[in-house]
Amino acid sequence: AQSVTQLGSHVSVSEGALVLLRCNYSSSVPPYLFWYVQYPNQGLQLLLKYTSAATLVKGINGFEAEFKKSETSFHLTKPSAHMSDAAEYFCAVSGRTGGGADGLTFGKGTHLIIQP
Amino acid sequence: DAGVIQSPRHEVTEMGQEVTLRCKPISGHNSLFWYRQTMMRGLELLIYFNNNVPIDDSGMPEDRFSAKMPNASFSTLKIQPSEPRDSAVYFCASSLKGVNGYTFGSGTRLTVV
Repeated sequence: AQSVTQLGSHVSVSEGALVLLRCNYSSSVPPYLFWYVQYPNQGLQLLLKYTSAATLVKGINGFEAEFKKSETSFHLTKPSAHMSDAAEYFCAVSGRTGGGADGLTFGKGTHLIIQP
Repeated sequence: DAGVIQSPRHEVTEMGQEVTLRCKPISGHNSLFWYRQTMMRGLELLIYFNNNVPIDDSGMPEDRFSAKMPNASFSTLKIQPSEPRDSAVYFCASSLKGVNGYTFGSGTRLTVV
């Protein structure tokens, strides 16, 4: 069984400031980990994924995340926030299977607010 | 690639009516997932298929919900009869073994009145 905890349902940062969105996971098997972004009234867009290669993963729009097994964490960061980053962010985990994919388990989401 | 295609984008129906949501996954992907998103419950996995075979339907809320995948390029999620509490955004996603990520469709916003 897997689960994801996202700390902070709302995070507010100033434009140009560091963005840090926290994600902790629980998984009984080596996980795949993902961050997705959702803009209002749109679907989910993949930001980045961890699939057991490098523990520091770089994604789109300047975001990156670091997989820390000892802390069971996969926090999302961006050095300098932009107004266009305002959106809902979801952390997700899936198990690894030999054949097809496993279902994604999502966190509750973090609403990122960018202050001008 | 056109991505994951869902139809309709919006559906408004009366309580008690049958509703069918449709999904075309990305060609070559062998896994397909149906999710429901609500403010109260967030993103919930309803059911998923690997190679057209249902693997886990434990997230399907009631017997009123059913899903099929008759071939690799098409899936349906049916609600019969529909109820107001079924109002939500329903997403379809597809993946190739998970390692390359999961691609989501734009969703179907269902309103049951």
